[in-house]
Amino acid sequence: NAGVMQNPRHLVRRRGQEARLRCSPMKGHSHVYWYRQLPEEGLKFMVYLQKENIIDESGMPKERFSAEFPKEGPSILRIQQVVRGDSAAYFCASSSLLAGERGTGELFFGEGSRLTVL
Amino acid sequence: AQTVTQSQPEMSVQEAETVTLSCTYDTSESNYYLFWYKQPPSRQMILVIRQEAYKQQNATENRFSVNFQKAAKSFSLKISDSQLGDTAMYFCAFVGASYDKVIFGPGTSLSVIP
Repeated sequence: NAGVMQNPRHLVRRRGQEARLRCSPMKGHSHVYWYRQLPEEGLKFMVYLQKENIIDESGMPKERFSAEFPKEGPSILRIQQVVRGDSAAYFCASSSLLAGERGTGELFFGEGSRLTVL
Repeated sequence: AQTVTQSQPEMSVQEAETVTLSCTYDTSESNYYLFWYKQPPSRQMILVIRQEAYKQQNATENRFSVNFQKAAKSFSLKISDSQLGDTAMYFCAFVGASYDKVIFGPGTSLSVIP
């Protein structure tokens, strides 16, 4: 399966613990996006990364949240000291856009990671 | 800043009938891409249809078509011959030609009634 892979699909944490969500983009894709979806709401942009670079993190809370996309390995969304308000589905998407080239802009989504904070 | 608005939080349609979902957006860019994504109860996000702003012809994909009005910044989705499997949340999305973040609307929950 060459699609976007997210794991874990479901994660339960107690308040104060750390949550790590992983995303492997589609083969050949170097752009990764993270979105958060609260219950009964739409997708809110969090962060846009290329390999080893954060391009846009304007949607990320300033504290407790961080993201990386290393040269090797999956992208990681890390939430420290989780609170109940962090409970949500976190979606990763990738695209094949290359800087300076026209692309389609289409995002390919993973199945999401559902975080529940007790 | 770009924004995407979907003014219909919920809609319903009888099976086999046609329904139109509305979307408007705001941008100062002249070239961009617009999308409709579907999120069924499984929560998997699925691309339904894509429109490039520099193309005047409206995109179509089988039973799905769009009415793209660039001057009005409107991008509606028409679903013909609605099927039960069309029941889902539908999100309108925008990305500028500068390839920054994709902006999603708040979504429209569509229910197809047998």
